[in-house]
Parts: sequence; structure tokens; C-alpha cells
Amino acid sequence: QKEVEQDPGPLSVPEGAIVSLNCTYSNSAFQYFMWYRQYSRKGPELLMYTYSSGNKEDGRFTAQVDKSSKYISLFIRDSQPSDSATYLCAMREQGGSEKLVFGKGTKLTVNP
Amino acid sequence: GAVVSQHPSWVICKSGTSVKIECRSLDFQATTMFWYRQFPKQSLMLMATSNEGSKATYEQGVEKDKFLINHASLTLSTLTVTSAHPEDSSFYICSASSGTGLIYGYTFGSGTRLTVV
Repeated sequence: QKEVEQDPGPLSVPEGAIVSLNCTYSNSAFQYFMWYRQYSRKGPELLMYTYSSGNKEDGRFTAQVDKSSKYISLFIRDSQPSDSATYLCAMREQGGSEKLVFGKGTKLTVNP
Repeated sequence: GAVVSQHPSWVICKSGTSVKIECRSLDFQATTMFWYRQFPKQSLMLMATSNEGSKATYEQGVEKDKFLINHASLTLSTLTVTSAHPEDSSFYICSASSGTGLIYGYTFGSGTRLTVV
């Protein structure tokens, strides 16, 4: 079993839809959880950052972490064509190595 | 916000030659830099972690003599692909952490697309 599992999609939705992206993980030591957005041929851009469990909201984006289930989610409300990109979850342990462990990424297309 | 500049954005080189990729943190001091490789439709694969002034730590399976990493200052790290071959063609991305990465996550460069012909 990989440390971080993420459905690669692709996911195609109409404009205005609510998008749900998810990752599961196996390492209970993960404490920091991030979502990155990556446009084609570009570096990843940090969207959301969460420490431990809980929810975090930023505009149209909401990140949720459920450590008991080892499950994290990113919700995008009122999705726009400009949201079309690959979304990567990433996480790391507290203390120790600074290495991030990434999911495979989910390719999202929002159709006008 | 934190900005990481990576150059060149793309490069084509002949087989057997070496290519250097630069990664600079523009508005913060990067105590740690990470180098990744990404194949099409794949996630980021960590190649090595470098701390300023010390030798890089390479991930298992990554040839340290082929992928030379230098982190000589708190704002600059370089990756040199030596004696490049077509199988080294890939998208290389750097990431920098200021040590407050715990709070702010990690800032990525825009990536370098290397094509070896």
C-alpha cells in the first residue's frame, strides 16, 4: 500500500459545480496536509495548508482533514474553467524529515 | 509571498553533454531545497534534499554522480545533469523551504523541461 493514495481521475465537471477531491494515507504520523494546484508544464502552487484535523476555508476552497479515518478532502465551490488543473495532495510528519509525500494528483477539467 | 525562480524553463541538449538548472529563492532564505522529477501524468518524485552548505541527501535509486546538487548559498541551489541521455528527459522542479515551511508549506519553482536528443 502506498503512503498516499489519490484517484488520478480524470474528473470532468460543468462550470458552477461543487468539486470534491480526496486522498487517503496510511502513515499516522502525518500532521501537516497541503493541497497544491498544478497547471500544465508549471510548478505546483500551494492552495491550502492544514495542521492536524479540522476544516479550513479560503474563498471557494475548503480543506478537511479527518485523521481518525486518515482521509483528507478539498472542496471547490462554484467551480470555474480556470480551476482546470491537476490537484495534488501532500503531507508530512511533524518533526523529523521535511520531505513531503505527494499523491499522484487528480486532473480536473471544468467545462464552460 | 515567497517566490522561487527556476531557470531555464526549458532546455534541449545533445546526448552526452551536461545541463545546469538553477533554483533561486527571491525574497526569503531557503535553508532547505528539494529537487523533484516529474514524468507525464505522474506525480512528483523526490530526487534529493539539500541544505545550505552541506551535501545533498539523495533518495534511493537516484544516481548522485549523475545528478549533482549544489546548495552554496541560502538563496541558490543548482542541479547539474551530467552526461545526459534521452532517458533523462523529464520535467525537473525545485522547491524551497525557509524553515518556517511548517507553517507556510513549500514554494515551488516553475519547473524546467529537459529534452535530451
